[in-house]
Amino acid sequence: GQNIDQPTEMTATEGAIVQINCTYQTSGFNGLFWYQQHAGEAPTFLSYNVLDGLEEKGRFSSFLSRSKGYSYLLLKELQMKDSASYLCAVMDSNYQLIWGAGTKLIIKP
Amino acid sequence: GAVVSQHPSWVICKSGTSVKIECRSLDFQATTMFWYRQFPKQSLMLMATSNEGSKATYEQGVEKDKFLINHASLTLSTLTVTSAHPEDSSFYICSAREPSNSYNEQFFGPGTRLTVL
Repeated sequence: GQNIDQPTEMTATEGAIVQINCTYQTSGFNGLFWYQQHAGEAPTFLSYNVLDGLEEKGRFSSFLSRSKGYSYLLLKELQMKDSASYLCAVMDSNYQLIWGAGTKLIIKP
Repeated sequence: GAVVSQHPSWVICKSGTSVKIECRSLDFQATTMFWYRQFPKQSLMLMATSNEGSKATYEQGVEKDKFLINHASLTLSTLTVTSAHPEDSSFYICSAREPSNSYNEQFFGPGTRLTVL
């Protein structure tokens, strides 16, 4: 079966760095997405990785290792507004998104 | 970036009534739209894939006669929850794939919160 695993909840301090991990087992691979979702709102796109390596975009970076079925989202210089759920999603061979359950990130002052 | 709208943003209805939710791609044509449902503290669950001009493809366990999907044009898909019951109360989110987007990224609407009394 297809499976996406990510931690349920993480806590970090304002100004610090946090890494959210995601492991996956899917039928085929056409890229991995990270989305941010604030409570009561729809997800918003953060990043896309299809090749191995690190993609950096401002305070957010995303890493992918296809051989290990592993990705992480790195958030630097955390701000209170970064408190949200972070969803890992893999596009399978049918170009369908398989979603993880999301990681709720709590930022403390 | 591509914009997707949903209407209404929230709706409260009585048990047994039907509710229609609209999903529109505002600045692009979407041959494929997706309907998701999200219960509190859970991830997105794909309900169905909506293809313009053809029947929707429903995920296992989703009743096609209860959740009617119509994708009548390249910019509009509708989800009708028929004979709604309290257990249908949820956050319904649509997304659309923008054909020229090299990521095959899905752009999400703002969601519709349905409460069935």
